Amino acid sequence: GQQVMQIPQYQHVQEGEDFTTYCNSSTTLSNIQWYKQRPGGHPVFLIQLVKSGEVKKQKRLTFQFGEAKKNSSLHITATQTTDVGTYFCAGRFRNAGKSTFGDGTTLTVKP
Amino acid sequence: SAVISQKPSRDICQRGTSLTIQCQVDSQVTMMFWYRQQPGQSLTLIATANQGSEATYESGFVIDKFPISRPNLTFSTLTVSNMSPEDSSIYLCSVDTEAFFGQGTRLTVV
Repeated sequence: GQQVMQIPQYQHVQEGEDFTTYCNSSTTLSNIQWYKQRPGGHPVFLIQLVKSGEVKKQKRLTFQFGEAKKNSSLHITATQTTDVGTYFCAGRFRNAGKSTFGDGTTLTVKP
Repeated sequence: SAVISQKPSRDICQRGTSLTIQCQVDSQVTMMFWYRQQPGQSLTLIATANQGSEATYESGFVIDKFPISRPNLTFSTLTVSNMSPEDSSIYLCSVDTEAFFGQGTRLTVV
């Protein structure tokens, strides 16, 4: 079946360090969405990328969608303790009415 | 953005019983989605619920175990039937673009 692979599974950083999580698909995606889930919480929508090569920024977060629309990344600059949680990507394949979630990357930040 | 209300927020149930989870949206939506998130895992789509038609279930999920209702464009229910401890999960509903989730129902089966 169509899958979205997300790496790494876990990332431990010192506060102030950067963080990146990557999502890859073997087939072209229509769009990709990113979510953040705090411990004990529910997934919260961060952003959707649609265009090939698209780059979007939200304060310290930078989201990229690959030229081939098969991969995406989320980069956090100078992490803070408030960034802790699990980050999920969800890719929508062409002709599919639903998105497929990656396994998530759990970020911990040491003060 | 859509506001999604889900209840109950959590429940502890005896094995063999059933629980119905409600999802209410503050605007009319075409599609509603039900997800399961097992402990420490990602989200897995259970089914897509369209108003006026039977829900479409994903591989590994069946109607007898997870019956869904969609009586109108703002409401849906998911029932977890004949529960076992393996059904202990967070169940979430989402709408149309899947950008918005309800707060989830944290189910523990004992």
